[in-house]
Amino acid sequence: GQQVMQIPQYQHVQEGEDFTTYCNSSTTLSNIQWYKQRPGGHPVFLIQLVKSGEVKKQKRLTFQFGEAKKNSSLHITATQTTDVGTYFCAGIWDTGRRALTFGSGTRLQVQP
Amino acid sequence: DAGITQSPRHKVTETGTPVTLRCHQTENHRYMYWYRQDPGHGLRLIHYSYGVKDTDKGEVSDGYSVSRSKTEDFLLTLESATSSQTSVYFCAISVGPGDTGELFFGEGSRLTVL
Repeated sequence: GQQVMQIPQYQHVQEGEDFTTYCNSSTTLSNIQWYKQRPGGHPVFLIQLVKSGEVKKQKRLTFQFGEAKKNSSLHITATQTTDVGTYFCAGIWDTGRRALTFGSGTRLQVQP
Repeated sequence: DAGITQSPRHKVTETGTPVTLRCHQTENHRYMYWYRQDPGHGLRLIHYSYGVKDTDKGEVSDGYSVSRSKTEDFLLTLESATSSQTSVYFCAISVGPGDTGELFFGEGSRLTVL
């Protein structure tokens, strides 16, 4: 079935270091979305990418969608303790089920 | 705030008993979803709805049924709960245009099956 693979599963960084998580689909995506979930909380929408090669920024967060629309990344510059949580990508395809399929998530720990 | 509430928030039950989780929204959104979250698996889609009485299966639908008799309510039923259904269940609504918009999640329902 259609799925998105997300790596790494876990990353521990020192405050101020950068962080990147990657998502990959074997088939072309219609769009990809990113969510953040704080410990004990619910997922919260961050951004949606639709166009091939799209790059969007939100303060220290940079989101990219690959040219082939099969991969995406989230990069955080100079992490802060407030960035702690699990980051999920979620994709949807033009064919098949019309609902988001989530990656397994990357849990980010930030050491002060 | 998309006005989505889940009930109950916590439930402990025994194997073999029926359980119903309720998702209620106040803003007339068409698309609603039930996901379960387990360590190492992210969020997996159980069932979703694209309108009143219109539902479809997700990737982990076995052992679950849903109903949507009104726009505002999406019910998830475990006919006979098993320990493998111990999980955190999240309801979500699509608040963007169509079925590809951003999802807004409820607070979650933590279910423990003994």
